Amino acid sequence: SQQGEEDPQALSIQEGENATMNCSYKTSINNLQWYRQNSGRGLVHLILIRSNEREKHSGRLRVTLDTSKKSSSLLITASRAADTASYFCATAVSGSARQLTFGSGTQLTVLP
Amino acid sequence: DTGVSQNPRHKITKRGQNVTFRCDPISEHNRLYWYRQTLGQGPEFLTYFQNEAQLEKSRLLSDRFSAERPKGSFSTLEIQRTEQGDSAMYLCASAPSSTEAFFGQGTRLTVV
Repeated sequence: SQQGEEDPQALSIQEGENATMNCSYKTSINNLQWYRQNSGRGLVHLILIRSNEREKHSGRLRVTLDTSKKSSSLLITASRAADTASYFCATAVSGSARQLTFGSGTQLTVLP
Repeated sequence: DTGVSQNPRHKITKRGQNVTFRCDPISEHNRLYWYRQTLGQGPEFLTYFQNEAQLEKSRLLSDRFSAERPKGSFSTLEIQRTEQGDSAMYLCASAPSSTEAFFGQGTRLTVV
């Protein structure tokens, strides 16, 4: 079963705009990760945020985590056409950090 | 190191046939995962190895599915008596610890 659920399912923006994707999950987590997947390809790890962290930055990416609301957001600033991809959140559940449970993803399209 | 390698990239098989996929993880990664992904969905966890030991199996993994990781290096995933519902992308990932996972490009299986 899917632990995380991304919102929106699809997002279309113009190049240069910011893109925000949200993820909600159900159980206590050890950490939450965001991955990117280009069509028909494998997943690429973007950023990991631990349960005791609230915000993290990496280049044009900003991730927030609210464990009280069991939610996270991924912000991509100054988007580029090359950012077009599917974005997934994945949770490592507390006490079972062995597996990652993925959401159903947000399909981001950045129009040039 | 060239990352996680999966072979074959594509496999078309007739219903009822057996298929085997191979995954070569990043060397020195003791954790290895198999996931299955269908169109428009996030990856679903199938099984997890730590070194050569298979420590977790999803309920999705019916008795037609078997995975091995002899000597704690490469892994194989076999599907016996394939069904059309087995058509999916099969993703392998490896990790050095309970942090980010590195994914291969996947094997796309089509059962006709």
